[in-house]
Amino acid sequence: KAGVTQTPRYLIKTRGQQVTLSCSPISGHRSVSWYQQTPGQGLQFLFEYFSETQRNKGNFPGRFSGRQFSNSRSEMNVSTLELGDSALYLCASRVAGAYEQYFGPGTRLTVT
Amino acid sequence: KNEVEQSPQNLTAQEGEFITINCSYSVGISALHWLQQHPGGGIVSLFMLSSGKKKHGRLIATINIQEKHSSLHITASHPRDSAVYICAVRSYGDSGGGADGLTFGKGTHLIIQP
Repeated sequence: KAGVTQTPRYLIKTRGQQVTLSCSPISGHRSVSWYQQTPGQGLQFLFEYFSETQRNKGNFPGRFSGRQFSNSRSEMNVSTLELGDSALYLCASRVAGAYEQYFGPGTRLTVT
Repeated sequence: KNEVEQSPQNLTAQEGEFITINCSYSVGISALHWLQQHPGGGIVSLFMLSSGKKKHGRLIATINIQEKHSSLHITASHPRDSAVYICAVRSYGDSGGGADGLTFGKGTHLIIQP
């Protein structure tokens, strides 16, 4: 069974632009979570989607948004990029009701 | 204040040594995860615990729910064990990570020298 995939793997954007990242979960996994990892803050929870609905959201500004499609694939969008948004963005999928999560390789976003 | 505290932050050891990484948390949890992250970013889930002890190869993870503490042990450490080890908890209720989101420790950077 294929693992969690994320595209693109690397991205360079300019301040003020917006960006969309994609995550394809493991087949059969309907829950997708997104995380941000920075050297200063470590890993932080962004949001979780299940069956196209956002279930939980971390403490991030409204510039960070996401959605999930009927095939469980998920996208996250960051608008009006700031330098501090430079980070590794990870998604993880899990079977509904189970705690075990499986992480994708991440998208490394650099904002200049 | 981070609700999940790990120690040590950095650890360098010689090949073959017994390694212990500790994790303390302050909230009620439904599960605790130990994750491994190699250079390049990929994260692998090593263990998920809600009680007791689990063993996988040379890795052992324990949790004491009453003391809100978990440990990850590596026996007969090897240079390929060099990585960042991250403790994460899934808490009850909304504590910033959300009812189903994970709250992470800062990680322990482990280097095993040959």
